[in-house]
Amino acid sequence: AQKITQTQPGMFVQEKEAVTLDCTYDTSDQSYGLFWYKQPSSGEMIFLIYQGSYDEQNATEGRYSLNFQKARKSANLVISASQLGDSAMYFCAMREWGGSYIPTFGRGTSLIVHP
Amino acid sequence: NAGVTQTPKFQVLKTGQSMTLQCAQDMNHEYMSWYRQDPGMGLRLIHYSVGAGITDQGEVPNGYNVSRSTTEDFPLRLLSAAPSQTSVYFCATSSLTSGETQYFGPGTRLLVL
Repeated sequence: AQKITQTQPGMFVQEKEAVTLDCTYDTSDQSYGLFWYKQPSSGEMIFLIYQGSYDEQNATEGRYSLNFQKARKSANLVISASQLGDSAMYFCAMREWGGSYIPTFGRGTSLIVHP
Repeated sequence: NAGVTQTPKFQVLKTGQSMTLQCAQDMNHEYMSWYRQDPGMGLRLIHYSVGAGITDQGEVPNGYNVSRSTTEDFPLRLLSAAPSQTSVYFCATSSLTSGETQYFGPGTRLLVL
């Protein structure tokens, strides 16, 4: 069974609008961390945001916020005020403290921002 | 401070050939890992290491070997390349003291004919 599920293979958004990229996860650990990475067409992996399982507040980093709903096991990425440069692949990942400490990744969502 | 380096950037192999993908880091991170990225499949873990002398298998280890004789280096060996190993390979490192961030190398594009 997949540990990280990203159900949206592709998403489109108008420039300056907000967009939500979905991520659900599966773990029996109490201690874990959730990540989002961006991969532009140039190929590098760029770390965006992190949420720990015990963090009370949703993580935010500039225009990125992570909507963490622990009971639903979801960790959606919200990008506010989309920019053309946000067009990229976005990957959700999870690290379980009871496991190898190496993150497991979802299959990704391709985001295209239209002018 | 180079971070995580990978060589080569691109490689074309014939079926049955062997090669080693190099990964080096200068951040003294204890955790190192190899992923492969295929279209629609995300990043899948091949092998990982939690310290020098310690390696373990990930999700897709078949056809690959690793070793970790030093903290800095974590080479990935393909003993007999197959077309199914055509992929982009990423090395990544992290540390308990680096917090949550995992640092990725630039990737190696491998084509097996």
